[in-house]
Amino acid sequence: SQTIHQWPATLVQPVGSPLSLECTVEGTSNPNLYWYRQAAGRGLQLLFYSVGIGQISSEVPQNLSASRPQDRQFILSSKKLLLSDSGFYLCAWGNQGLVTGELFFGEGSRLTVL
Amino acid sequence: DAKTTQPNSMESNEEEPVHLPCNHSTISGTDYIHWYRQLPSQGPEYVIHGLTSNVNNRMASLAIAEDRKSSTLILHRATLRDAAVYYCILRDSNYGGSQGNLIFGKGTKLSVKP
Repeated sequence: SQTIHQWPATLVQPVGSPLSLECTVEGTSNPNLYWYRQAAGRGLQLLFYSVGIGQISSEVPQNLSASRPQDRQFILSSKKLLLSDSGFYLCAWGNQGLVTGELFFGEGSRLTVL
Repeated sequence: DAKTTQPNSMESNEEEPVHLPCNHSTISGTDYIHWYRQLPSQGPEYVIHGLTSNVNNRMASLAIAEDRKSSTLILHRATLRDAAVYYCILRDSNYGGSQGNLIFGKGTKLSVKP
């Protein structure tokens, strides 16, 4: 069966510090991968998506970047965090060949920038 | 631009059916109607999807209007665990690139009273 894991689950970082959130998927190959963010009291915002290794598309301009060094690994990074980067970050995967288009979400990483 | 319109909130009593409406008047012929729900502090969870015909699964039923400009998610017997934010999303079945990405709106916050 397929699984998706994110880490760390919770972190508190000072403004200006770097960030690295990791997401891995098991049990499938060549998945579409996504990073979403949910700010407090707001809806989910799509940040990045990837259809293959090294292929990253950004949905919104921001202080963050994403990378996909391996087929089932998706990393969200920042060189210098801003207060506005606080939020609940969710990684998701979907099967490219499946017409249903269902997305499977990880447990989320809650980031607080102080 | 928001492609779907949902009420901000709804209330239900436990053990009673719940009908969650969604308007999508600009739906295209290749758009699937997807429903996800998000429990507090968790990632979204797939509920159901459909194209033209009504759909049933173990979680819910999806009733799609004949003109496809609206749909209704039906929870047959609400439980306290069904309290969540429910998202109605259109997803292009020709998803290559960004068209098929899941774009979440604000959803409907469902409260279930014992």
